[in-house]
Amino acid sequence: GAVVSQHPSRVICKSGTSVKIECRSLDFQATTMFWYRQFPKQSLMLMATSNEGSKATYEQGVEKDKFLINHASLTLSTLTVTSAHPEDSSFYICSASGGEGQPQHFGDGTRLSIL
Amino acid sequence: AQSVSQHNHHVILSEAASLELGCNYSYGGTVNLFWYVQYPGQHLQLLLKYFSGDPLVKGIKGFEAEFIKSKFSFNLRKPSVQWSDTAEYFCAVNAYGNNRLAFGKGNQVVVIP
Repeated sequence: GAVVSQHPSRVICKSGTSVKIECRSLDFQATTMFWYRQFPKQSLMLMATSNEGSKATYEQGVEKDKFLINHASLTLSTLTVTSAHPEDSSFYICSASGGEGQPQHFGDGTRLSIL
Repeated sequence: AQSVSQHNHHVILSEAASLELGCNYSYGGTVNLFWYVQYPGQHLQLLLKYFSGDPLVKGIKGFEAEFIKSKFSFNLRKPSVQWSDTAEYFCAVNAYGNNRLAFGKGNQVVVIP
């Protein structure tokens, strides 16, 4: 149980393009979803926390107008990287939690490459 | 804000050897502690967690971890590793009542058959 599906797994696009990444909890209701960014040989850096039906809470230094997060239902959250540039190239990972005190379950990640 | 330290990023050992990965965190309050594992090409999976109670926690695949509050540590151990334990291991911490996780940089473990 507790499966999180993240799509797409790989995106290659031109600079200036906006890219949407989906994160779905397949067999549980995720009251909270998290978006992380991971650089090579670095730890996962939390970008934002989203609760269903409310605005996402962004970590310090993360531009909310650049990384748009929508958590429209208890099973779906999306991250849109707007007007992506090469420096946005990274590995983006989502996770979902069934509630306070529940562990986070992770998606497979999305490798974003901006040319 | 809490931070998590994992040392010895790369660990190489032979099958049947014992494994211990250190994890130290900096936060003075009550914490929840996790170890996640990421096998090659797969997503992060929960290995074990500590919320309260017995500080020695048993996880999947023969792993265990011990919470030592006085040392702010949550070290992961396995007495005898297998080739299939080759993976990256991440320690993570969140403050009690806060779902936000702080991750360590991870340990890349390679087990040689």
